[in-house]
Amino acid sequence: KAGVTQTPRYLIKTRGQQVTLSCSPISGHRSVSWYQQTPGQGLQFLFEYFSETQRNKGNFPGRFSGRQFSNSRSEMNVSTLELGDSALYLCASSPGWGQGTGTDTQYFGPGTRLTVL
Amino acid sequence: GIQVEQSPPDLILQEGANSTLRCNFSDSVNNLQWFHQNPWGQLINLFYIPSGTKQNGRLSATTVATERYSLLYISSSQTTDSGVYFCAVESPKAAGNKLTFGGGTRVLVKP
Repeated sequence: KAGVTQTPRYLIKTRGQQVTLSCSPISGHRSVSWYQQTPGQGLQFLFEYFSETQRNKGNFPGRFSGRQFSNSRSEMNVSTLELGDSALYLCASSPGWGQGTGTDTQYFGPGTRLTVL
Repeated sequence: GIQVEQSPPDLILQEGANSTLRCNFSDSVNNLQWFHQNPWGQLINLFYIPSGTKQNGRLSATTVATERYSLLYISSSQTTDSGVYFCAVESPKAAGNKLTFGGGTRVLVKP
C-alpha cells in the first residue's frame, strides 16, 4: 500500500496570505489528523477528521481550518498567515474504526514545510 | 490535558552501545506509540504499545501502564539510529484520535 502523501512538500508565503495544504491518507483509512511542529512548541495536534466530520480539535485559532472529502483526502487551510505559522505540518492517517478507543495506529506523511516571510 | 515527558532530552552514543529512553505520562492512556523522526522530518512508526513488551530487531519497548511510563531500548546502536525519538499517547478522555507528544529525545550515534 502507498503511504500517506502530502503536497506540497515545501512552501514559502508572505504574511497576510493564505495557504492550503493537502493530505492523502493510506487507502482504506478514514481518519486524518493534522499536527504542527515548531522548535519552540514541539508537536501539537491541530484537528482530526473522520468520515468528512471534524471529530476533534486542538487549541489553535480559527485561522486554522480543515476539511475532508468523501475519498478521505483532507485539506488544511491557514488564513492571514503570521510569521509564527512557519512550521512543519504533518498529516497522519489511521483506519478510524477504533472510534477513539486507542486501537488505531497512526501513520504519518512526510510533512509540508511552510515558511512565512 | 495529559502531560508527556521524555528523558533524557539529548543522548550521545558510541556506535555499538546500548541505551534506554524513557517516557512518563500523567494519566491513563489507551494508546502509546514510539516514533523516530528522520532528518527530513518524517515520523516513522516504531511501536504501538499501550501495554506490555514488544521487540523489533535491535529495538524493543515496554509500557507499564499502571505506573504510567514506557521505555524504548536501543541495542548495538548504529549511526542510522541517529535522530529524534518521540513518544505519543492518546487519552481515553479525548474524543477521536488525538496524539499528545512528548518533547522528544535527540540521539546522536557516533562512529
